[in-house]
Amino acid sequence: SAVISQKPSRDICQRGTSLTIQCQVDSQVTMMFWYRQQPGQSLTLIATANQGSEATYESGFVIDKFPISRPNLTFSTLTVSNMSPEDSSIYLCSVTDREGTIKLFFGSGTQLSVL
Amino acid sequence: QKEVEQNSGPLSVPEGAIASLNCTYSDRGSQSFFWYRQYSGKSPELIMSIYSNGDKEDGRFTAQLNKASQYVSLLIRDSQPSDSATYLCAVLFGGGSYIPTFGRGTSLIVHP
Repeated sequence: SAVISQKPSRDICQRGTSLTIQCQVDSQVTMMFWYRQQPGQSLTLIATANQGSEATYESGFVIDKFPISRPNLTFSTLTVSNMSPEDSSIYLCSVTDREGTIKLFFGSGTQLSVL
Repeated sequence: QKEVEQNSGPLSVPEGAIASLNCTYSDRGSQSFFWYRQYSGKSPELIMSIYSNGDKEDGRFTAQLNKASQYVSLLIRDSQPSDSATYLCAVLFGGGSYIPTFGRGTSLIVHP
């Protein structure tokens, strides 16, 4: 499987600020996704990061709040904008395997706490 | 609403026992099923995938799929304290979906 590097690994932020999370993959991958995992909850898909075009957002998530970039097939960023304590979560980058099947592999995650 | 259901636990088993984790799903047309292990503070790690009815074994892990009853289970033989983690079931629903839906996970505690 691909090696997925995600940073920062954790951050503590003030209300109203923004944080950009980076996801770097060691090889070209077809699909990249961003998930959120709130405390004690399962994984919720935020959006599919599309290379060279706007991300595809799931219901309940909007571009103004979670802008996503994917300039190439190995890199993506997720920004959490105008943060509130409700945004405190683990944010995970995920990719399909090299063969482009539907097996998902996850980065190490970003633990975000908003004060 | 397509759903994946898991008992949140915790499921507590003694070291050396068989741990049985269960998952039910709502869509009869589902085709692909996955089990992930997530240690506290870490990201999910894919440990098993299964696509057809029956059992699939990999080391101490066995995934069991029964599409007629719409459940998938994970058996862990000779459980070790290092198996203590949350186990997430993920299902790829039918209808052209390409992104699995995750259950809430079952917390497993293996005590010495």
